[in-house]
This record gives sequence, structure tokens and C-alpha cells, in this order.
Amino acid sequence: EVQLVESGGGLVQPGRSLRLSCAASGFSFEDYAMHWVRQAPGKGLEWVSAITWNSGKMVYADSVKGRFTISRDNAKKSVYLQMNSLRADDTAFYYCAKDMIRWLESWGGIDYWGQGALVTVSS
Amino acid sequence: QSVLTQAPSASGTPGQRVTISCSGRISNIGNNYVCWYQQLPGTAPKVLIYSNDQRPSGVPDRFSGSKSGTSASLAISGLRSEDEADYYCSTWDNSLSGWVFGGGTKLTVL
Repeated sequence: EVQLVESGGGLVQPGRSLRLSCAASGFSFEDYAMHWVRQAPGKGLEWVSAITWNSGKMVYADSVKGRFTISRDNAKKSVYLQMNSLRADDTAFYYCAKDMIRWLESWGGIDYWGQGALVTVSS
Repeated sequence: QSVLTQAPSASGTPGQRVTISCSGRISNIGNNYVCWYQQLPGTAPKVLIYSNDQRPSGVPDRFSGSKSGTSASLAISGLRSEDEADYYCSTWDNSLSGWVFGGGTKLTVL
């Protein structure tokens, strides 16, 4: 069974940093691209970032480019999201998600989602 | 606002067929595959359709997807009360070099 478990969420002040982690199990983690998607409370889904199976390519939404960094450790079966210069509008549930393929191509897409970690940015 | 346009709400009665639409551009839907996701209240999203019209194993054949030009649609036949959820379309956008989602459609089963 595919499982994705996010951790590291919490309350943080504007301008500070936070690092989310996602532990994967139940599939060959090293064979798939991974994503982060967020959802502000009561709002829709917003794709944040993705990384290929071998960390060869990382892509970001314009709203987080230059502030967030995605990375992965295939040996630890984990993907991370380093979030710097956090703002109030970054407040959201952050979902870790698995792609169907290794690469970031349109014939892929997300097939499994974690349960999400809440990040609240507030003073 | 979202790059992909969805009506904010839709409704139907049990047994009915409903269609949810997703409108985009050449740079996204027009040249790429579309996925559809279902999000039940208080839960994480779940994939219903990938590659425009493919259903993952375990997804009932009541759910079907299609694409034409710069628009995509999700059809749900034999509507059930448990289908009441938010539905999102998603695809890659060549101009943005990233994935995009529609704003979501809240389906109510009357």
C-alpha cells in the first residue's frame, strides 16, 4: 500500500523558515517524480513544486520561486520542501504527492497523495 | 484566479448523469494530458482520471473523462450520494513550466 506521511508543519512567524518532510513507503520511491501541492483552508488546490526521480530537474510555481526549495533523498525514501521567507498567504495544508512516472511530463500526473501537513504563517 | 476555469458548483439527483467542465489554453489543455481529482470533505484528493480518459484501477466506470481542443470534461453517470465532493482538473502548462489546477467544482447530490 502506498503511504505518504508529511511532517514538519506548524505555526511560524512571517519571514521565518520551515522544512517539510515526506516519508514514502509501499512503492519504489526512487522510480518516481514527487510533488508538493498546497490548499489554503476552504480554498482550491495549488501546485507548488515537483522533482524528478533523480533530482535532475526541479520546477516551482511562480508564487514560491526563489523562496522554496524541493529536494529528495532516495536512500531515505523521503522528499522535502524547504520554505524560506514565509508569508501569510503561504498558510495552507501542504500535500506530498507521487507522480505516475519518473519525469515531469504531461503524460504523468499525481496518483497518490499524503494526508497533508498544516503550515500556519502568523505573528 | 486559477489558470484552468471550472464552474464553482454543479448538482444532480441520484441516478442522473452530470458533466463537469474545465477550460484552458493551447499552452495547457490544448497540448497536454488532463487529470481529474476527487476530494471528499476533510480528506486528501484522489485521482479519478489521468491521460485525459484513463481510469486507475479501482475507479468505477461511472466516471469518464474526455478532451477536445482547449477544454476537458469529467462525466459522472448513475450519480450517488457518495459522489458529493469537490472535483479538480489539472494539467501541465508549457508557458508556466509547471502543473496547474482548476479552481474546483463542488458537486452536490440533491
